[in-house]
Amino acid sequence: GAGVSQSPSNKVTEKGKDVELRCDPISGHTALYWYRQSLGQGLEFLIYFQGNSAPDKSGLPSDRFSAERTGGSVSTLTIQRTQQEDSAVYLCASSLLRPFSGGELFFGEGSRLTVL
Amino acid sequence: SQELEQSPQSLIVQEGKNLTINCTSSKTLYGLYWYKQKYGEGLIFLMMLQKGGEEKSHEKITAKLDEKKQQSSLHITASQPSHAGIYLCGAGRDDKIIFGKGTRLHILP
Repeated sequence: GAGVSQSPSNKVTEKGKDVELRCDPISGHTALYWYRQSLGQGLEFLIYFQGNSAPDKSGLPSDRFSAERTGGSVSTLTIQRTQQEDSAVYLCASSLLRPFSGGELFFGEGSRLTVL
Repeated sequence: SQELEQSPQSLIVQEGKNLTINCTSSKTLYGLYWYKQKYGEGLIFLMMLQKGGEEKSHEKITAKLDEKKQQSSLHITASQPSHAGIYLCGAGRDDKIIFGKGTRLHILP
Protein backbone atom coordinates (compact mmCIF):
# COMPACT_ATOMS: atom_id res chain seq x y z
CA GLY A 1 0.00 0.00 0.00
CA ALA A 2 0.95 3.63 -0.29
CA GLY A 3 0.89 4.49 3.39
CA VAL A 4 1.77 3.03 6.78
CA SER A 5 -0.65 0.29 7.67
CA GLN A 6 -1.45 -0.81 11.21
CA SER A 7 -3.51 -3.69 12.51
CA PRO A 8 -5.73 -4.25 14.29
CA SER A 9 -7.34 -0.83 14.25
CA ASN A 10 -9.15 -1.68 17.46
CA LYS A 11 -8.36 -4.25 20.12
CA VAL A 12 -10.24 -4.93 23.32
CA THR A 13 -8.59 -7.35 25.71
CA GLU A 14 -8.83 -8.51 29.28
CA LYS A 15 -6.28 -7.54 31.87
CA GLY A 16 -3.44 -10.05 31.96
CA LYS A 17 -3.69 -11.13 28.32
CA ASP A 18 -0.92 -10.62 25.77
CA VAL A 19 -1.49 -8.51 22.66
CA GLU A 20 0.39 -8.04 19.41
CA LEU A 21 0.14 -4.93 17.28
CA ARG A 22 1.43 -4.92 13.74
CA CYS A 23 2.89 -2.20 11.56
CA ASP A 24 3.59 -2.30 7.81
CA PRO A 25 5.76 0.69 6.93
CA ILE A 26 6.00 2.42 3.58
CA SER A 27 8.07 0.31 1.22
CA GLY A 28 11.71 1.37 1.24
CA HIS A 29 11.54 3.24 4.53
CA THR A 30 14.39 2.00 6.70
CA ALA A 31 13.40 3.79 9.89
CA LEU A 32 10.36 2.72 11.89
CA TYR A 33 8.99 4.22 15.08
CA TRP A 34 6.40 3.26 17.69
CA TYR A 35 4.61 5.89 19.75
CA ARG A 36 1.84 5.72 22.31
CA GLN A 37 -0.89 8.33 22.64
CA SER A 38 -2.87 8.37 25.86
CA LEU A 39 -5.60 10.80 26.78
CA GLY A 40 -4.02 14.01 27.97
CA GLN A 41 -0.48 12.63 27.65
CA GLY A 42 0.45 13.57 24.13
CA LEU A 43 2.57 11.39 21.91
CA GLU A 44 5.05 9.26 23.86
CA PHE A 45 8.06 7.73 22.06
CA LEU A 46 8.46 4.00 22.63
CA ILE A 47 11.08 2.53 20.30
CA TYR A 48 12.89 3.21 17.05
CA PHE A 49 14.22 0.75 14.45
CA GLN A 50 16.85 1.36 11.82
CA GLY A 51 16.60 -1.67 9.58
CA ASN A 52 16.05 -4.62 11.89
CA SER A 53 17.99 -3.26 14.83
CA ALA A 54 16.63 -1.06 17.59
CA PRO A 55 19.24 1.56 18.56
CA ASP A 56 16.80 3.30 20.87
CA LYS A 57 14.45 1.40 23.17
CA SER A 58 14.49 4.08 25.79
CA GLY A 59 10.77 4.74 25.68
CA LEU A 60 9.51 1.24 26.41
CA PRO A 61 7.67 1.70 29.72
CA SER A 62 8.38 -1.73 31.21
CA ASP A 63 9.78 -5.16 30.40
CA ARG A 64 6.24 -6.24 29.48
CA PHE A 65 6.73 -4.27 26.26
CA SER A 66 8.86 -5.60 23.42
CA ALA A 67 9.12 -5.02 19.69
CA GLU A 68 10.79 -6.63 16.76
CA ARG A 69 11.22 -5.94 13.10
CA THR A 70 11.94 -8.52 10.45
CA GLY A 71 13.21 -8.19 6.90
CA GLY A 72 13.62 -4.48 7.41
CA SER A 73 9.89 -4.17 6.96
CA VAL A 74 7.05 -5.33 9.20
CA SER A 75 7.24 -4.63 12.92
CA THR A 76 5.34 -6.13 15.81
CA LEU A 77 4.84 -4.49 19.20
CA THR A 78 4.01 -7.02 21.89
CA ILE A 79 2.55 -6.19 25.28
CA GLN A 80 2.55 -9.04 27.77
CA ARG A 81 0.22 -9.34 30.75
CA THR A 82 -1.66 -6.20 29.77
CA GLN A 83 -2.69 -3.71 32.44
CA GLN A 84 -5.45 -1.12 32.31
CA GLU A 85 -2.87 1.68 32.11
CA ASP A 86 -1.72 0.19 28.78
CA SER A 87 -4.97 1.40 27.21
CA ALA A 88 -3.99 3.92 24.54
CA VAL A 89 -3.64 4.43 20.82
CA TYR A 90 -0.39 2.92 19.53
CA LEU A 91 0.93 4.75 16.50
CA CYS A 92 3.54 3.53 14.08
CA ALA A 93 5.53 5.78 11.76
CA SER A 94 8.18 5.26 9.13
CA SER A 95 10.65 7.53 7.40
CA LEU A 96 13.14 7.43 4.57
CA LEU A 97 15.55 9.89 6.16
CA ARG A 98 16.45 10.33 9.81
CA PRO A 99 15.05 13.41 11.54
CA PHE A 100 18.45 15.11 11.78
CA SER A 101 18.64 14.80 7.99
CA GLY A 102 15.32 16.52 7.62
CA GLY A 103 13.26 13.39 7.28
CA GLU A 104 9.57 13.55 8.06
CA LEU A 105 7.68 10.75 9.73
CA PHE A 106 4.70 9.20 7.99
CA PHE A 107 2.16 7.90 10.49
CA GLY A 108 -0.34 5.09 10.37
CA GLU A 109 -3.83 5.56 11.74
CA GLY A 110 -3.02 3.70 14.92
CA SER A 111 -4.19 0.71 16.89
CA ARG A 112 -6.57 1.57 19.71
CA LEU A 113 -6.02 -0.77 22.64
CA THR A 114 -8.56 -1.06 25.44
CA VAL A 115 -7.71 -3.21 28.44
CA LEU A 116 -10.71 -4.13 30.56
CA SER B 1 8.87 18.22 33.05
CA GLN B 2 7.88 18.25 29.41
CA GLU B 3 10.72 19.06 27.02
CA LEU B 4 8.34 20.66 24.52
CA GLU B 5 5.60 22.92 25.87
CA GLN B 6 2.74 23.95 23.66
CA SER B 7 0.39 26.83 24.34
CA PRO B 8 -2.44 27.16 24.53
CA GLN B 9 -3.53 23.61 25.36
CA SER B 10 -6.92 24.31 23.85
CA LEU B 11 -8.26 27.04 21.62
CA ILE B 12 -11.75 27.92 20.41
CA VAL B 13 -12.00 30.52 17.66
CA GLN B 14 -14.72 31.87 15.45
CA GLU B 15 -14.50 30.87 11.82
CA GLY B 16 -12.62 33.50 9.86
CA LYS B 17 -10.44 34.62 12.76
CA ASN B 18 -6.67 34.34 12.93
CA LEU B 19 -4.89 32.32 15.59
CA THR B 20 -1.40 31.42 16.80
CA ILE B 21 -0.09 28.30 18.52
CA ASN B 22 3.29 28.32 20.24
CA CYS B 23 5.84 25.64 20.92
CA THR B 24 8.75 26.19 23.31
CA SER B 25 11.66 23.83 23.84
CA SER B 26 13.80 23.50 26.96
CA LYS B 27 16.70 22.39 24.74
CA THR B 28 18.33 23.68 21.57
CA LEU B 29 16.18 23.09 18.53
CA TYR B 30 17.86 21.40 15.59
CA GLY B 31 14.70 20.76 13.64
CA LEU B 32 11.09 21.54 14.41
CA TYR B 33 8.13 19.66 12.98
CA TRP B 34 4.46 20.56 12.92
CA TYR B 35 1.84 17.86 12.54
CA LYS B 36 -1.94 17.95 12.56
CA GLN B 37 -4.17 15.19 13.87
CA LYS B 38 -7.86 15.02 13.17
CA TYR B 39 -9.80 13.47 16.02
CA GLY B 40 -9.41 9.68 15.96
CA GLU B 41 -7.03 9.69 13.01
CA GLY B 42 -3.32 9.54 12.34
CA LEU B 43 -0.92 12.47 12.12
CA ILE B 44 -0.51 14.53 8.99
CA PHE B 45 2.78 16.32 8.33
CA LEU B 46 2.40 20.07 7.89
CA MET B 47 5.93 21.42 7.67
CA MET B 48 9.43 21.24 9.03
CA LEU B 49 11.74 24.09 9.97
CA GLN B 50 15.48 23.61 10.30
CA LYS B 51 17.14 26.99 10.39
CA GLY B 52 16.78 29.87 12.79
CA GLY B 53 14.55 32.55 11.33
CA GLU B 54 13.09 30.13 8.82
CA GLU B 55 9.47 30.66 7.87
CA LYS B 56 7.30 28.37 5.77
CA SER B 57 3.74 28.69 4.54
CA HIS B 58 1.24 26.25 3.18
CA GLU B 59 -2.14 27.59 2.16
CA LYS B 60 -3.27 29.61 5.19
CA ILE B 61 -0.82 28.12 7.68
CA THR B 62 2.53 29.76 8.43
CA ALA B 63 5.20 28.44 10.78
CA LYS B 64 8.27 30.25 12.04
CA LEU B 65 11.34 29.11 13.95
CA ASP B 66 13.13 31.33 16.45
CA GLU B 67 16.18 29.26 17.27
CA LYS B 68 17.58 31.72 19.82
CA LYS B 69 14.39 31.65 21.81
CA GLN B 70 14.03 27.92 21.20
CA GLN B 71 10.50 28.60 20.01
CA SER B 72 8.28 28.02 17.03
CA SER B 73 4.90 29.48 16.23
CA LEU B 74 2.14 28.27 13.94
CA HIS B 75 -0.20 30.91 12.61
CA ILE B 76 -3.48 30.25 10.84
CA THR B 77 -5.07 33.05 8.87
CA ALA B 78 -8.84 33.26 8.31
CA SER B 79 -9.54 29.95 10.05
CA GLN B 80 -11.95 27.44 8.53
CA PRO B 81 -13.76 24.39 9.96
CA SER B 82 -11.23 22.19 8.15
CA HIS B 83 -8.51 23.58 10.40
CA ALA B 84 -10.06 21.96 13.48
CA GLY B 85 -7.98 19.25 15.11
CA ILE B 86 -4.95 18.73 17.31
CA TYR B 87 -1.71 20.46 16.36
CA LEU B 88 1.50 18.88 17.61
CA CYS B 89 4.99 20.23 17.47
CA GLY B 90 7.91 17.84 17.42
CA ALA B 91 11.64 18.29 17.85
CA GLY B 92 14.35 16.15 16.34
CA ARG B 93 16.33 14.42 19.10
CA ASP B 94 19.07 12.05 17.94
CA ASP B 95 17.27 9.72 15.54
CA LYS B 96 13.75 10.31 16.76
CA ILE B 97 11.16 13.04 17.09
CA ILE B 98 9.73 13.91 20.48
CA PHE B 99 6.40 15.67 20.63
CA GLY B 100 4.59 18.18 22.76
CA LYS B 101 1.18 17.39 24.22
CA GLY B 102 -0.62 19.20 21.45
CA THR B 103 -3.05 22.08 21.08
CA ARG B 104 -6.72 21.26 20.48
CA LEU B 105 -8.26 23.70 18.04
CA HIS B 106 -12.02 24.08 17.71
CA ILE B 107 -13.55 26.31 15.05
CA LEU B 108 -16.98 27.78 15.69
CA PRO B 109 -19.15 28.31 12.59
